[in-house]
Amino acid sequence: EPEVTQTPSHQVTQMGQEVILRCVPISNHLYFYWYRQILGQKVEFLVSFYNNEISEKSEIFDDQFSVERPDGSNFTLKIRSTKLEDSAMYFCASSEASGGIGELFFGEGSRLTVL
Amino acid sequence: GENVEQHPSTLSVQEGDSAVIKCTYSDSASNYFPWYKQELGKGPQLIIDIRSNVGEKKDQRIAVTLNKTAKHFSLHITETQPEDSAVYFCAASTGGFKTIFGAGTRLFVKA
Repeated sequence: EPEVTQTPSHQVTQMGQEVILRCVPISNHLYFYWYRQILGQKVEFLVSFYNNEISEKSEIFDDQFSVERPDGSNFTLKIRSTKLEDSAMYFCASSEASGGIGELFFGEGSRLTVL
Repeated sequence: GENVEQHPSTLSVQEGDSAVIKCTYSDSASNYFPWYKQELGKGPQLIIDIRSNVGEKKDQRIAVTLNKTAKHFSLHITETQPEDSAVYFCAASTGGFKTIFGAGTRLFVKA
């Protein structure tokens, strides 16, 4: 069964460092997302990406964040200068139809710890 | 923007009993309401969804109800089993590019 894969599963970084989280969405999906979940809290929308551009983003997704689809298979989230409060589980998701009207398929997440 | 409230935050039931999780949403334009189950160490996985033109949907032991007037929707799990133990998230969307999640309900099913 096709699945969304994410790497790394866990990354520890120092405050101020750049981090890139990688995702390989399901191959025939057209819509891609990043969500994050601070420990024990709700799953929060960060950004959606369609047709090689950001289609929607939340107030959390400020200038420190960027997304890219550098080739036909990867979808990345970059945090330029990490802060302590960026520590969270980051989930990549993809969908066939727009996530607003169809199932999101989530990866297993990348846990980011900022020290 | 859309806000989704979910209750209870924790629910403990005896195996075989029913479990009910309730959510309310704020944006009357929301028209898609999925429910996700998150097991330990995994990403959320869709278990059932309902669209605004339907009041109720059932899939084996799981059912969802939607009251558009009151802007609330519920998940019902009957004959609960230990493997139902997980975190459950309700969510809502207006059909755009983002889905807004509730805070989650941690369900414990005691054998």
